[in-house]
Amino acid sequence: DTGVSQDPRHKITKRGQNVTFRCDPISEHNRLYWYRQTLGQGPEFLTYFQNEAQLEKSRLLSDRFSAERPKGSFSTLEIQRTEQGDSAMYLCASSSPGTGYSGELFFGEGSRLTVL
Amino acid sequence: AQSVTQLDSHVSVSEGTPVLLRCNYSSSYSPSLFWYVQHPNKGLQLLLKYTSAATLVKGINGFEAEFKKSETSFHLTKPSAHMSDAAEYFCVVMGGNTGKLIFGQGTTLQVKP
Repeated sequence: DTGVSQDPRHKITKRGQNVTFRCDPISEHNRLYWYRQTLGQGPEFLTYFQNEAQLEKSRLLSDRFSAERPKGSFSTLEIQRTEQGDSAMYLCASSSPGTGYSGELFFGEGSRLTVL
Repeated sequence: AQSVTQLDSHVSVSEGTPVLLRCNYSSSYSPSLFWYVQHPNKGLQLLLKYTSAATLVKGINGFEAEFKKSETSFHLTKPSAHMSDAAEYFCVVMGGNTGKLIFGQGTTLQVKP
Protein backbone atom coordinates (compact mmCIF):
# COMPACT_ATOMS: atom_id res chain seq x y z
CA ASP A 1 0.00 0.00 0.00
CA THR A 2 1.47 3.35 -0.99
CA GLY A 3 -0.90 5.63 0.88
CA VAL A 4 -0.15 7.93 3.80
CA SER A 5 0.96 5.95 6.82
CA GLN A 6 0.97 7.07 10.44
CA ASP A 7 2.61 5.57 13.47
CA PRO A 8 1.66 4.68 16.11
CA ARG A 9 -2.03 4.17 15.45
CA HIS A 10 -2.84 4.37 19.14
CA LYS A 11 -0.96 5.92 22.03
CA ILE A 12 -1.99 5.98 25.67
CA THR A 13 0.11 8.15 27.93
CA LYS A 14 0.02 9.79 31.32
CA ARG A 15 -0.38 13.50 31.73
CA GLY A 16 2.97 15.26 31.61
CA GLN A 17 4.67 12.76 29.32
CA ASN A 18 5.98 13.56 25.85
CA VAL A 19 4.69 11.80 22.76
CA THR A 20 5.80 11.77 19.14
CA PHE A 21 3.84 10.80 16.06
CA ARG A 22 5.30 10.00 12.68
CA CYS A 23 3.79 10.48 9.24
CA ASP A 24 5.06 9.04 5.99
CA PRO A 25 3.35 10.77 3.06
CA ILE A 26 2.87 9.43 -0.43
CA SER A 27 6.36 9.42 -1.89
CA GLU A 28 6.03 12.04 -4.61
CA HIS A 29 3.95 14.44 -2.49
CA ASN A 30 5.85 17.51 -1.37
CA ARG A 31 3.01 19.04 0.67
CA LEU A 32 2.19 17.70 4.09
CA TYR A 33 -0.48 18.76 6.60
CA TRP A 34 -1.27 17.90 10.21
CA TYR A 35 -4.81 18.08 11.56
CA ARG A 36 -6.38 17.29 14.91
CA GLN A 37 -9.83 15.77 15.27
CA THR A 38 -11.69 15.50 18.55
CA LEU A 39 -14.77 13.37 19.09
CA GLY A 40 -17.80 14.66 17.22
CA GLN A 41 -15.88 17.44 15.48
CA GLY A 42 -14.37 17.99 12.08
CA PRO A 43 -10.60 17.98 11.66
CA GLU A 44 -8.84 21.23 12.60
CA PHE A 45 -5.75 22.42 10.77
CA LEU A 46 -2.53 22.43 12.79
CA THR A 47 0.36 23.00 10.42
CA TYR A 48 1.58 22.77 6.82
CA PHE A 49 4.90 21.87 5.21
CA GLN A 50 6.04 22.35 1.68
CA ASN A 51 9.08 20.14 1.32
CA GLU A 52 11.03 20.75 4.54
CA ALA A 53 9.72 24.27 5.12
CA GLN A 54 6.98 24.80 7.67
CA LEU A 55 4.92 27.50 6.00
CA GLU A 56 1.92 27.83 8.27
CA LYS A 57 1.07 27.08 11.89
CA SER A 58 -2.32 27.34 13.50
CA ARG A 59 -2.81 29.20 16.75
CA LEU A 60 -4.00 25.81 18.04
CA LEU A 61 -0.38 24.71 17.93
CA SER A 62 0.79 25.83 21.35
CA ASP A 63 4.42 25.99 22.44
CA ARG A 64 4.14 22.39 23.63
CA PHE A 65 3.64 21.23 20.06
CA SER A 66 6.40 21.01 17.50
CA ALA A 67 6.42 19.56 14.02
CA GLU A 68 9.32 18.82 11.74
CA ARG A 69 9.95 17.51 8.29
CA PRO A 70 13.74 17.43 8.19
CA LYS A 71 14.37 16.03 4.72
CA GLY A 72 11.11 16.89 3.07
CA SER A 73 9.91 13.31 3.34
CA PHE A 74 8.46 11.96 6.62
CA SER A 75 7.24 14.31 9.33
CA THR A 76 7.01 14.12 13.10
CA LEU A 77 4.63 15.83 15.48
CA GLU A 78 5.78 16.01 19.09
CA ILE A 79 3.66 17.02 22.05
CA GLN A 80 5.54 17.86 25.22
CA ARG A 81 4.06 17.74 28.72
CA THR A 82 0.79 16.27 27.47
CA GLU A 83 -2.50 17.42 28.97
CA GLN A 84 -5.84 15.65 28.99
CA GLY A 85 -7.11 18.18 26.48
CA ASP A 86 -4.59 16.87 23.97
CA SER A 87 -6.55 13.64 23.69
CA ALA A 88 -7.61 13.48 20.04
CA MET A 89 -6.99 11.85 16.69
CA TYR A 90 -3.99 13.37 14.94
CA LEU A 91 -4.31 13.18 11.18
CA CYS A 92 -1.64 13.58 8.57
CA ALA A 93 -2.36 14.35 4.93
CA SER A 94 -0.29 14.93 1.85
CA SER A 95 -0.89 16.35 -1.58
CA SER A 96 0.94 16.35 -4.85
CA PRO A 97 3.04 19.21 -6.16
CA GLY A 98 1.49 21.56 -8.67
CA THR A 99 1.04 25.15 -9.64
CA GLY A 100 -2.00 25.52 -7.45
CA TYR A 101 -3.82 23.87 -4.61
CA SER A 102 -6.37 21.31 -5.75
CA GLY A 103 -7.84 20.68 -2.31
CA GLU A 104 -7.38 16.97 -2.79
CA LEU A 105 -5.58 15.77 0.28
CA PHE A 106 -4.74 12.14 0.91
CA PHE A 107 -5.22 11.34 4.57
CA GLY A 108 -3.69 8.69 6.74
CA GLU A 109 -5.81 6.70 9.17
CA GLY A 110 -4.62 8.83 12.07
CA SER A 111 -2.87 8.42 15.39
CA ARG A 112 -5.22 8.34 18.35
CA LEU A 113 -3.85 9.86 21.54
CA THR A 114 -5.36 9.22 24.95
CA VAL A 115 -3.93 11.19 27.87
CA LEU A 116 -4.81 9.78 31.28
CA ALA B 1 -12.69 34.25 6.72
CA GLN B 2 -14.05 31.10 5.14
CA SER B 3 -16.27 28.70 7.03
CA VAL B 4 -18.85 25.99 6.46
CA THR B 5 -21.85 24.96 8.52
CA GLN B 6 -23.37 21.53 8.25
CA LEU B 7 -27.01 21.82 9.14
CA ASP B 8 -27.57 18.27 10.36
CA SER B 9 -25.35 16.34 12.73
CA HIS B 10 -27.15 13.08 12.00
CA VAL B 11 -29.19 11.88 9.02
CA SER B 12 -30.94 8.53 8.85
CA VAL B 13 -32.36 7.08 5.62
CA SER B 14 -33.59 3.73 4.42
CA GLU B 15 -31.62 1.82 1.83
CA GLY B 16 -32.75 2.77 -1.65
CA THR B 17 -34.12 6.20 -0.66
CA PRO B 18 -32.54 9.57 -1.52
CA VAL B 19 -29.83 11.16 0.56
CA LEU B 20 -29.57 14.89 1.30
CA LEU B 21 -26.76 16.29 3.44
CA ARG B 22 -26.93 20.06 3.85
CA CYS B 23 -24.07 22.53 3.95
CA ASN B 24 -23.94 26.32 3.93
CA TYR B 25 -20.73 28.23 3.37
CA SER B 26 -19.40 31.66 4.18
CA SER B 27 -16.68 33.18 2.04
CA SER B 28 -15.54 36.63 1.07
CA TYR B 29 -14.68 35.43 -2.43
CA SER B 30 -15.56 32.59 -4.78
CA PRO B 31 -14.87 29.52 -2.71
CA SER B 32 -13.41 26.13 -3.45
CA LEU B 33 -15.73 23.64 -1.80
CA PHE B 34 -15.43 19.92 -1.16
CA TRP B 35 -17.15 16.97 0.40
CA TYR B 36 -14.99 14.41 2.19
CA VAL B 37 -16.17 11.07 3.58
CA GLN B 38 -14.77 9.19 6.57
CA HIS B 39 -15.64 5.54 6.98
CA PRO B 40 -14.95 3.91 10.36
CA ASN B 41 -11.24 3.16 10.80
CA LYS B 42 -10.47 4.57 7.36
CA GLY B 43 -8.75 7.74 6.25
CA LEU B 44 -10.73 10.69 4.99
CA GLN B 45 -11.42 10.47 1.26
CA LEU B 46 -12.35 13.14 -1.24
CA LEU B 47 -15.89 12.63 -2.54
CA LEU B 48 -16.15 15.61 -4.88
CA LYS B 49 -15.00 19.20 -5.36
CA TYR B 50 -16.28 22.49 -6.74
CA THR B 51 -13.79 24.99 -8.10
CA SER B 52 -15.95 27.51 -10.00
CA ALA B 53 -16.51 25.44 -13.13
CA ALA B 54 -19.89 23.69 -13.46
CA THR B 55 -22.23 24.35 -10.53
CA LEU B 56 -23.39 20.73 -10.47
CA VAL B 57 -20.51 18.53 -9.46
CA LYS B 58 -20.47 14.76 -9.74
CA GLY B 59 -18.36 12.68 -7.41
CA ILE B 60 -17.60 9.09 -6.65
CA ASN B 61 -20.17 6.43 -5.71
CA GLY B 62 -23.08 8.28 -7.29
CA PHE B 63 -22.90 11.39 -5.11
CA GLU B 64 -23.30 14.89 -6.47
CA ALA B 65 -23.49 18.40 -5.10
CA GLU B 66 -24.84 21.67 -6.41
CA PHE B 67 -23.21 25.02 -5.75
CA LYS B 68 -25.86 27.72 -5.23
CA LYS B 69 -24.34 31.13 -4.78
CA SER B 70 -27.66 32.85 -4.08
CA GLU B 71 -28.28 30.48 -1.19
CA THR B 72 -24.60 30.07 -0.17
CA SER B 73 -25.24 26.35 -0.15
CA PHE B 74 -23.41 23.23 -1.31
CA HIS B 75 -25.70 20.34 -0.47
CA LEU B 76 -24.70 16.74 -1.11
CA THR B 77 -27.20 14.35 -2.68
CA LYS B 78 -27.51 10.79 -3.87
CA PRO B 79 -30.62 9.34 -5.54
CA SER B 80 -30.51 5.98 -3.80
CA ALA B 81 -28.68 5.16 -0.58
CA HIS B 82 -26.66 2.00 -0.19
CA MET B 83 -25.67 0.36 3.06
CA SER B 84 -22.02 1.06 2.26
CA ASP B 85 -22.76 4.81 2.27
CA ALA B 86 -23.02 4.80 6.07
CA ALA B 87 -20.19 7.07 7.20
CA GLU B 88 -19.28 10.55 8.43
CA TYR B 89 -19.47 13.26 5.78
CA PHE B 90 -17.66 16.57 5.96
CA CYS B 91 -18.33 19.72 4.00
CA VAL B 92 -15.05 21.56 3.47
CA VAL B 93 -13.88 24.93 2.19
CA MET B 94 -10.34 25.81 1.19
CA GLY B 95 -8.91 28.63 3.28
CA GLY B 96 -5.87 30.84 3.03
CA ASN B 97 -3.08 30.52 0.51
CA THR B 98 -1.51 27.23 1.57
CA GLY B 99 -4.26 24.88 0.46
CA LYS B 100 -5.39 24.16 4.00
CA LEU B 101 -8.91 22.82 4.37
CA ILE B 102 -11.52 24.08 6.82
CA PHE B 103 -13.92 21.35 7.83
CA GLY B 104 -17.50 21.48 8.99
CA GLN B 105 -18.52 19.55 12.08
CA GLY B 106 -19.65 16.56 10.09
CA THR B 107 -22.89 14.70 9.40
CA THR B 108 -23.28 11.08 10.36
CA LEU B 109 -25.24 9.20 7.71
CA GLN B 110 -27.05 6.12 8.92
CA VAL B 111 -28.54 3.76 6.31
CA LYS B 112 -31.21 1.38 7.54
CA PRO B 113 -31.97 -1.86 5.73
